[in-house]
Amino acid sequence: EAGVAQSPRYKIIEKRQSVAFWCNPISGHATLYWYQQILGQGPKLLIQFQNNGVVDDSQLPKDRFSAERLKGVDSTLKIQPAKLEDSAVYLCASSSVAGGHGEQFFGPGTRLTVL
Amino acid sequence: KNQVEQSPQSLIILEGKNCTLQCNYTVSPFSNLRWYKQDTGRGPVSLTIMTFSENTKSNGRYTATLDADTKQSSLHITASQLSDSASYICVVSPGGFKTIFGAGTRLFVKA
Repeated sequence: EAGVAQSPRYKIIEKRQSVAFWCNPISGHATLYWYQQILGQGPKLLIQFQNNGVVDDSQLPKDRFSAERLKGVDSTLKIQPAKLEDSAVYLCASSSVAGGHGEQFFGPGTRLTVL
Repeated sequence: KNQVEQSPQSLIILEGKNCTLQCNYTVSPFSNLRWYKQDTGRGPVSLTIMTFSENTKSNGRYTATLDADTKQSSLHITASQLSDSASYICVVSPGGFKTIFGAGTRLFVKA
């Protein structure tokens, strides 16, 4: 069974530029999560989808971050414009269980550096 | 406020030694608690899951315990190996769609 795929693995941009990350969850997993993980900290949930609907985006900085999962499968997270403090690893995870109690399967992450 | 606190923040042990990592939570209600292992440059991988009625769960050399009364959990690693060097993250779910992540304990195993 293929795992969660993410691309790119690494991205370096200058502040005020835009960037997009892509995630393809495990086939059949209805729940998809995007996390931001700053060095030395645990993952922080940005947005959670159930199929193509948003379940929780309370910690998503909506003035600059956006995410979509149009067909209920793969997803894109965008930052526009980027700030220095956005430097982090962006993790995508998926789960076959609706709700937060199921095991989450994580992708390798995208490491973003904002200069 | 729902919080998960882990200690120590980092730990260095010699290969072959045992160690115990701590997780205290104030999450309510409580659905389950998971321990994840995160290798450097990789995403977290689930090690164990415990519900309210379970007080111990093992996965190879990893043994997790849960005291739901005191809201504490520990992860015990037996006979550590170099490959155990990683971050260990405690995650608590109050049910519904929520999960609360701890900041993790960074473990370094030295030869």
